[in-house]
Amino acid sequence: DQQVKQNSPSLSVQEGRISILNCDYTNSMFDYFLWYKKYPAEGPTFLISISSIKDKNEDGRFTVFLNKSAKHLSLHIVPSQPGDSAVYFCAASEAGTASKLTFGTGTRLQVTL
Amino acid sequence: DSGVTQTPKHLITATGQRVTLRCSPRSGDLSVYWYQQSLDQGLQFLIQYYNGEERAKGNILERFSAQQFPDLHSELNLSSLELGDSALYFCASSVTQGSGNTIYFGEGSWLTVV
Repeated sequence: DQQVKQNSPSLSVQEGRISILNCDYTNSMFDYFLWYKKYPAEGPTFLISISSIKDKNEDGRFTVFLNKSAKHLSLHIVPSQPGDSAVYFCAASEAGTASKLTFGTGTRLQVTL
Repeated sequence: DSGVTQTPKHLITATGQRVTLRCSPRSGDLSVYWYQQSLDQGLQFLIQYYNGEERAKGNILERFSAQQFPDLHSELNLSSLELGDSALYFCASSVTQGSGNTIYFGEGSWLTVV
């Protein structure tokens, strides 16, 4: 049962344009969401997070939007740069004493020149 | 550099053997997590420790075990290794144990079972 889904395995965007990566979840107990960037054979690097009490969080070129009613979140990267090319994972944790993350399957972003 | 240190970075071993992966969390972090990433799968949660005590368990095989020591470093023990255990094993840490924590990952230990 995949509780966190990233339905687009890959995305190609031109440099300077906006990249939009999407994530859907099914578990209504999730209350904290994170985006990680990952290069092959390296550990995931934390990018940005959002609590379920918010609907938007911004950090530089990265903005995460949360739509709780739709159980959907998205990561916007503006403007996209070639160095952004990587696999992006959406992750979520449940309210409670354990903060383990449930990850989506990832979206490979390719930013072209 | 996330501040989470994992050793060894690469390990090749034979089927049936036992290995130990080591993790030092970020300074000040009390919670440690272990994740597995196989070639055909995403990041799978294995187990979480907080201040020496097990807090959550995921899809961890009975052949695998972990512990967190008083100095907060953690070890993941993998025994009776099978070819399918070949994967990247990530350790991660966070300040505390509840939701709302940012979890930082190490660079991973690449295990190859031959």
